[in-house]
Amino acid sequence: AQSVSQHNHHVILSEAASLELGCNYSYGGTVNLFWYVQYPGQHLQLLLKYFSGDPLVKGIKGFEAEFIKSKFSFNLRKPSVQWSDTAEYFCAVLSGGYNKLIFGAGTRLAVHP
Amino acid sequence: GAVVSQHPSRVICKSGTSVKIECRSLDFQATTMFWYRQFPKQSLMLMATSNEGSKATYEQGVEKDKFLINHASLTLSTLTVTSAHPEDSSFYICSASPVAGVGETQYFGPGTRLLVL
Repeated sequence: AQSVSQHNHHVILSEAASLELGCNYSYGGTVNLFWYVQYPGQHLQLLLKYFSGDPLVKGIKGFEAEFIKSKFSFNLRKPSVQWSDTAEYFCAVLSGGYNKLIFGAGTRLAVHP
Repeated sequence: GAVVSQHPSRVICKSGTSVKIECRSLDFQATTMFWYRQFPKQSLMLMATSNEGSKATYEQGVEKDKFLINHASLTLSTLTVTSAHPEDSSFYICSASPVAGVGETQYFGPGTRLLVL
């Protein structure tokens, strides 16, 4: 079965620091990968997704993620975080052949001014 | 656009009672809706997938007789937790997709927090 692991459960950064959140998946075939964000008290929102093509994917709010097939990774990055980026971030993979999203455990990011 | 609402946002009930949670797509027709459960500090776990007009498909380990799902229209799906017990206390999140059979475009509701006493 497919699985998604996120290495960092909690990350604390100061504003303007660079961010990288790790995500690894277990499936060896064609994958569709996602990063979702959940701001405090709000619903999950799609940050970016990778289906095919350029492995460097740009999303909303300055986020990007790089798909590295050889490492089974899809890490999320942002060069300079803001206080408003404080949220929980979920990596997810679309289960091959099905329309199901498999989520990682999430990473809670706190950005201090 | 692509707004999904859930009602209620939180509910407290006594053990043994049933609770119904509604999930509505407000500005699009949802061919497929998904129900997730999220335990504290854990990830979202898919419970079931429902397609309008057909029976829901439940994930392994999810009791279909306990978690009744009805997707009677293209804008409404309901999850009924029957004979709720304290271990059913959790955060229930729905998502809706306007495209049949494609999970990529899922729009999430704000979630419903259920506490069973």
